[in-house]
Amino acid sequence: NAGVTQTPKFQVLKTGQSMTLQCAQDMNHNSMYWYRQDPGMGLRLIYYSASEGTTDKGEVPNGYNVSRLNKREFSLRLESAAPSQTSVYFCASIDWGEGNIQYFGAGTRLSVL
Amino acid sequence: EDKVVQSPLSLVVHEGDTVTLNCSYEVTNFRSLLWYKQEKKAPTFLFMLTSSGIEKKSGRLSSILDKKELFSILNITATQTGDSAIYLCVGKAAGNKLTFGGGTRVLVKP
Repeated sequence: NAGVTQTPKFQVLKTGQSMTLQCAQDMNHNSMYWYRQDPGMGLRLIYYSASEGTTDKGEVPNGYNVSRLNKREFSLRLESAAPSQTSVYFCASIDWGEGNIQYFGAGTRLSVL
Repeated sequence: EDKVVQSPLSLVVHEGDTVTLNCSYEVTNFRSLLWYKQEKKAPTFLFMLTSSGIEKKSGRLSSILDKKELFSILNITATQTGDSAIYLCVGKAAGNKLTFGGGTRVLVKP
C-alpha cells in the first residue's frame, strides 16, 4: 500500500517552461488536493477535487491548472513557470468520514530560475 | 474569502512547559476544524473537531472548538523536544474545501 505518490521529487525549470506534477493515491479516496508551501509558511491550497470529475479553485490557483484523470490520479500543471512558483508542492487525499485522516505525498521541491 | 489565522507565529519553550496555540477562522459553510503537526516533511493529522465545547485528547495534546466565537485552541502539556514542529490549523467547508492557517512554529528546548 503506497499511499500517496508524487512525482517528481525535485525539479528545476527555467522561466516560461511548462511541467506537470503527478499525484496518485491507491486508497480509493474521493477527495484530492494540491498545496504549495513556501519557506517558513503554512500550506496554501491551490486546487482541489472533492470527487472524481470535479475540480475547484483554492486560495492560490493563478498560474496552475489541474486534471482529475480518474479516481486515483490528480495532476497539477504549470503552463508557463514563474520564479514566484518556486515552492514545495504537496498532494494529499482523504475520504471524509473514514477516519478523516488526510494522507500527504512526500512533496515536490520546484525551483524556477 | 475564507481565512484561518493562527497565533502566535512562533514560540520557544523549555521541556515540561505547557503550550497553548490559538486558531481563529472565518470560513463560509464551515463544517469542521483540523489540527496537523508538521516536522520535516508532510503534515500529520492530530485532531478533527466538529462540535463546540467537546475536548479531544490524545496523550499530552488536547484541543477544543468554539463555534460561536470561531476559534480553536491546541494545548500541549509537559512538552518534550519531540513536540518541536509547525502546528497547522485548517478550516474545512462544505464541499471539502480546506483553508490552512499560516502555522505556529514551536521550539522546545531541553
